[in-house]
Amino acid sequence: DQQVKQNSPSLSVQEGRISILNCDYTNSMFDYFLWYKKYPAEGPTFLISISSIKDKNEDGRFTVFLNKSAKHLSLHIVPSQPGDSAVYFCAASEVNRDDKIIFGKGTRLHILP
Amino acid sequence: DTGVSQDPRHKITKRGQNVTFRCDPISEHNRLYWYRQTLGQGPEFLTYFQNEAQLEKSRLLSDRFSAERPKGSFSTLEIQRTEQGDSAMYLCASSSDLTVAYGYTFGSGTRLTVV
Repeated sequence: DQQVKQNSPSLSVQEGRISILNCDYTNSMFDYFLWYKKYPAEGPTFLISISSIKDKNEDGRFTVFLNKSAKHLSLHIVPSQPGDSAVYFCAASEVNRDDKIIFGKGTRLHILP
Repeated sequence: DTGVSQDPRHKITKRGQNVTFRCDPISEHNRLYWYRQTLGQGPEFLTYFQNEAQLEKSRLLSDRFSAERPKGSFSTLEIQRTEQGDSAMYLCASSSDLTVAYGYTFGSGTRLTVV
């Protein structure tokens, strides 16, 4: 049973435009949500997170939006740059339980020139 | 701070052989995690240490798998009698109690191929 779902295996976006990556979750006990970025032959790198008590967190070109009622979050990257081409994992954790991070299957983002 | 180190980066082994991987976490991190990633999947949790205590094991971790963190520093993951289904990227990550809400720091992983 997948608790974190990324339904789009891949996404192509023109350089300079906005990239929107989506994620759904089923466990209402999750209290932290995270996005990781992964290049080939490297481990995942933490990108941005959001607490369940917030609905938006912004860090430079990256913004994460959380809609708790819909159990949905999204990552916006604007403007998209060639170096953003990577696999993006949505993840979630119950920090006050065991802080184990549960990952989605990932979305491969291609930034087109 | 050199980050999380994993050794080896690649391992090719014959089915039935035993393999052992090593992970050196960030020195001040007391929490250490092992994950496994197969093609087309996200990282899947295997096990978790807080200091030297192994606090949780996934049901993915069959009795052929064992992990240790003897002095609360580096950790080893051993797979006995490897099977082709064990072929995957094995990822180690670490965090401290203060950074748990900000994600783990992952190593580059050990890619295991069982032939």
